[in-house]
Amino acid sequence: RKEVEQDPGPFNVPEGATVAFNCTYSNSASQSFFWYRQDCRKEPKLLMSVYSSGNEDGRFTAQLNRASQYISLLIRDSKLSDSATYLCVVNTGGNSGYSTLTFGKGTMLLVSP
Amino acid sequence: DVKVTQSSRYLVKRTGEKVFLECVQDMDHENMFWYRQDPGLGLRLIYFSYDVKMKEKGDIPEGYSVSREKKERFSLILESASTNQTSMYLCATVENTGELFFGEGSRLTVL
Repeated sequence: RKEVEQDPGPFNVPEGATVAFNCTYSNSASQSFFWYRQDCRKEPKLLMSVYSSGNEDGRFTAQLNRASQYISLLIRDSKLSDSATYLCVVNTGGNSGYSTLTFGKGTMLLVSP
Repeated sequence: DVKVTQSSRYLVKRTGEKVFLECVQDMDHENMFWYRQDPGLGLRLIYFSYDVKMKEKGDIPEGYSVSREKKERFSLILESASTNQTSMYLCATVENTGELFFGEGSRLTVL
């Protein structure tokens, strides 16, 4: 089983739609979780951290299910500007003060007018 | 804001040439990383460093070396570039929260 898995997509949705991405991870010792957004030919940037209790930032909601080892990202009322690749990142922690970060391959979202 | 600066956005090199990619960060972060990103393969860790003069191999270190002589600077070296090293190279630092900050990337083409 791959360490961090995402559906590669692309997800094609119309403006205003609600879309959800899932990401599964294999290491039960994983400590923290993030969603990054990457625009075409740009570097990834943090979209939001994922907390155990779930968290919301405007139209974006992230949830963590430790029992099933997955995290999700929900985007409501999609905008054209949401078109990007969304990367799931899992931090398993590590020794000597440095961390081990594992990336999913990303899910591409295309929002059309 | 954290700033991670990569020296070159676009490079074209010939097979066998030495390539030197520099990364500088301004937030006094201890951990720095070099990744490469390829279509269908995602981000793969080449090397990372958790302190000056300290380095650790990542998942794909073959054909690469690194240098961390100063805390703010982490360099990736390709001693003899090959065509399969054509890729996007991303440098990153990490905060205590686990958040990564990336440079803008260096797109390398090896002919």
